[in-house]
Amino acid sequence: SQKIEQNSEALNIQEGKTATLTCNYTNYSPAYLQWYRQDPGRGPVFLLLIRENEKEKRKERLKVTFDTTLKQSLFHITASQPADSATYLCALLMDSSYKLIFGSGTRLLVRP
Amino acid sequence: DAGVIQSPRHEVTEMGQEVTLRCKPISGHDYLFWYRQTMMRGLELLIYFNNNVPIDDSGMPEDRFSAKMPNASFSTLKIQPSEPRDSAVYFCASSSSGHFQPQHFGDGTRLSIL
Repeated sequence: SQKIEQNSEALNIQEGKTATLTCNYTNYSPAYLQWYRQDPGRGPVFLLLIRENEKEKRKERLKVTFDTTLKQSLFHITASQPADSATYLCALLMDSSYKLIFGSGTRLLVRP
Repeated sequence: DAGVIQSPRHEVTEMGQEVTLRCKPISGHDYLFWYRQTMMRGLELLIYFNNNVPIDDSGMPEDRFSAKMPNASFSTLKIQPSEPRDSAVYFCASSSSGHFQPQHFGDGTRLSIL
């Protein structure tokens, strides 16, 4: 069956450390993978997109990797801050459709 | 720039009543998406439109749900009759053409069916 898995347990880290979140998928062949941030009571906000032929993408303190062999994406936040505390969602997009398929999200807590 | 606007933000109604959720996409965006988010099932796509035409409604749970997009600046999601299991947060999102374009989400409608 098709699955997208993100850590269901919250990730709790100290301010200043690097947060690493994982997104694994099975039985999908996505052309694109996106990461979104969601705060309580708000809609998801787009952060980064990476294509299947890209290994890594960076934006300020954010870095995303995409390994189509392992069927895994890693999302890193360096020099984390309490304001980075939120739920982070990965989403797959096939080339044939505009239908985004979301993982269940991982909650990140950054302690001051 | 105004983002995606949804109304109402909260809706509480009794089982069996008709519910209408509204969405105004970002001007110039030609794709519009309706999602539902629950603790059990996460964020699920219900239906999406391109240039006001429904493209994929395979996520619509059953005939009680319907969505329309009468023009480029307005869409509705209707549930009739509503049931307690429809309680969820419903999001609308819009995007420009191109698979590399991000989706811009509204802040959702929290729907409670008693």
